[in-house]
Amino acid sequence: GEDVEQSLFLSVREGDSSVINCTYTDSSSTYLYWYKQEPGAGLQLLTYIFSNMDMKQDQRLTVLLNKKDKHLSLRIADTQTGDSAIYFCADENQAGTALIFGKGTTLSVSS
Amino acid sequence: DTAVSQTPKYLVTQMGNDKSIKCEQNLGHDTMYWYKQDSKKFLKIMFSYNNKELIINETVPNRFSPKSPDKAHLNLHINSLELGDSAVYFCASSDTGLAGGRNEQFFGPGTRLTVL
Repeated sequence: GEDVEQSLFLSVREGDSSVINCTYTDSSSTYLYWYKQEPGAGLQLLTYIFSNMDMKQDQRLTVLLNKKDKHLSLRIADTQTGDSAIYFCADENQAGTALIFGKGTTLSVSS
Repeated sequence: DTAVSQTPKYLVTQMGNDKSIKCEQNLGHDTMYWYKQDSKKFLKIMFSYNNKELIINETVPNRFSPKSPDKAHLNLHINSLELGDSAVYFCASSDTGLAGGRNEQFFGPGTRLTVL
């Protein structure tokens, strides 16, 4: 079945870069997504990447996609305490009607 | 302006009761979803409606019944609540007409359900 895997925890110091990794099984996704969930809130779309691209940059965020290895990563440059949250990787189901979410990576940023 | 809203935000109830959670979106989207997030923060889709028609119904006990009176609303009714139903339930919506078929979902703030 379709599956998305992420490591569960990442701890960094303020000012460092954070890299959150994700692997997925369904290669038919047109887009892959990164969502952020702050404590007590719903998920917010952070960024997405079209499957024909291998990189997308958006201010402090860089998304890298390796389609051959089915590996997606999110790099946050100059990580701030406000970046502390859970980050979910998601790809699309085969029918394109739903998102399959990873288990989420809790990013903890210390000052 | 709240894009996707849910009520109530918190719901505490006894085992065996029946309860409903309401969701409304004012984004003009044609598809709405219910997700369950457990205590480990794992997020799983439960249902999806497109233009009031059910298109996804994951393996969810039939005590859970979604109802979509119109495109902007998707409510979730739960009968005979059990301890294991305790979780945060998120509603989301998306526009399936986005260029390139991007499934960009907007989430509500969640309803924390506690069954005692």
